[in-house]
Amino acid sequence: NAGVTQTPKFRVLKTGQSMTLLCAQDMNHEYMYWYRQDPGMGLRLIHYSVGEGTTAKGEVPDGYNVSRLKKQNFLLGLESAAPSQTSVYFCASTSAGGPRTDTQYFGPGTRLTVL
Amino acid sequence: TQLLEQSPQFLSIQEGENLTVYCNSSSVFSSLQWYRQEPGEGPVLLVTVVTGGEVKKLKRLTFQFGDARKDSSLHITAAQPGDTGLYLCAGPTGGGNKLTFGTGTQLKVEL
Repeated sequence: NAGVTQTPKFRVLKTGQSMTLLCAQDMNHEYMYWYRQDPGMGLRLIHYSVGEGTTAKGEVPDGYNVSRLKKQNFLLGLESAAPSQTSVYFCASTSAGGPRTDTQYFGPGTRLTVL
Repeated sequence: TQLLEQSPQFLSIQEGENLTVYCNSSSVFSSLQWYRQEPGEGPVLLVTVVTGGEVKKLKRLTFQFGDARKDSSLHITAAQPGDTGLYLCAGPTGGGNKLTFGTGTQLKVEL
């Protein structure tokens, strides 16, 4: 049971390049999330999904796209990377039970630098 | 938008000292969670508090939910180097089991 895994762990991009971050979970969770973490700002939600084939915008969605073609995978895409997207990206998942007791399980993160 | 402010932002203490971290909001939350994040890893849930005034203990860590459910605190007794990490509070917001995270408290415990 690997939990939540993220690929790649590190990446350096040049401004304007594109890339896709992959998140996979083996806990059969319905809900999945993409966050970015910047110093002094905690975790901010980019996009999320409440089930296979669904996606929704979070707090900071601009410049990102997502897809959830399979229940276990959640992809985050950057079509044209900008230096402001330099950050650490975390994926998380949780089951569809009530929010009072559910835990979000996080991956180890992807450190992205855009030059 | 429900905001969670944490204080202090940074805390550096010696092993054996006690400390308290605060999480405050102007909004009422149905529950609050505390996560700990170690360098190079994702956050891991420590506790969820769901009732106003609730106190939960996890070994040397004591968590309290404010009576009005707008704030929470984390108290660590006799801190150890293994307590070093980023402590984040989080509360549910909107549908989809979404969470709003606090700004975080970076704790360093030195020998």
